[in-house]
Amino acid sequence: EPEVTQTPSHQVTQMGQEVILRCVPISNHLYFYWYRQILGQKVEFLVSFYNNEISEKSEIFDDQFSVERPDGSNFTLKIRSTKLEDSAMYFCASLGTAFDINEQFFGPGTRLTVL
Amino acid sequence: GQQVMQIPQYQHVQEGEDFTTYCNSSTTLSNIQWYKQRPGGHPVFLIQLVKSGEVKKQKRLTFQFGEAKKNSSLHITATQTTDVGTYFCAPAKFQGAQKLVFGQGTRLTINP
Repeated sequence: EPEVTQTPSHQVTQMGQEVILRCVPISNHLYFYWYRQILGQKVEFLVSFYNNEISEKSEIFDDQFSVERPDGSNFTLKIRSTKLEDSAMYFCASLGTAFDINEQFFGPGTRLTVL
Repeated sequence: GQQVMQIPQYQHVQEGEDFTTYCNSSTTLSNIQWYKQRPGGHPVFLIQLVKSGEVKKQKRLTFQFGEAKKNSSLHITATQTTDVGTYFCAPAKFQGAQKLVFGQGTRLTINP
C-alpha cells in the first residue's frame, strides 16, 4: 500500500541552526501539507501546497519557514533559524485530488529537538 | 476556520468497557472526519461523516453526526488494548483539498 515517508525520523539541532525536513508524498497525490504536534498537544496545521505554490499557511508559518517541492517527488520544510519552541513532531501529509474524499495520508513524522 | 471542542480530554477504561468521545462545534459543519493516533504514531484517517444524523459503523466503532451537524461522537464497544490512542475530530469538506483543523483529541488509555 502506498505510504508517505519522512526523513529523518529524529533531528537534533542547536538553536539558530537551519534544518530541512524531508517528505516523499504518495506518488500520484497533488496536495501536500505540513503539520506539527508539540508533545502532548493537538496536531496543528502549518502549510498547504498545491501546483508548486503555497495555497494556505497558518500564523505559525512565519518567515523562518519555507516549503519546496524541488524535484517532483520530495516535499521539504525548511526552518531557517530554529528556536527552542520549534521542538515538535512534524508530520507531512498528502491528498490525492480535489475530487477525492478529503482523506489525508500522514507520514510517520520527524521529531525535531532544538537545544 | 471552524473550531471544534472535544470531550473528554482523557479517558481511562478497563478493557471490555465502552468508550465515547464527543466533538462539538458552535457552527454548522459541512462534514466531520475522525482520525486515530496511536502513541508515538501519526494520525490515521478513520471516517468522514457527511449527512445530518448519519451513523456509520466500523466493527466495534460507531460514528454519529448530529442532526444539526454541530456535533459528532465516536463510540467504541468493548474496548481492546489495540484501541489505545488519541482520537481526533476535524471539520472537513466532502470534496476538495482543505487543511485539517483538529480538535484537542481524546486520549484513551486501557487497563488490561
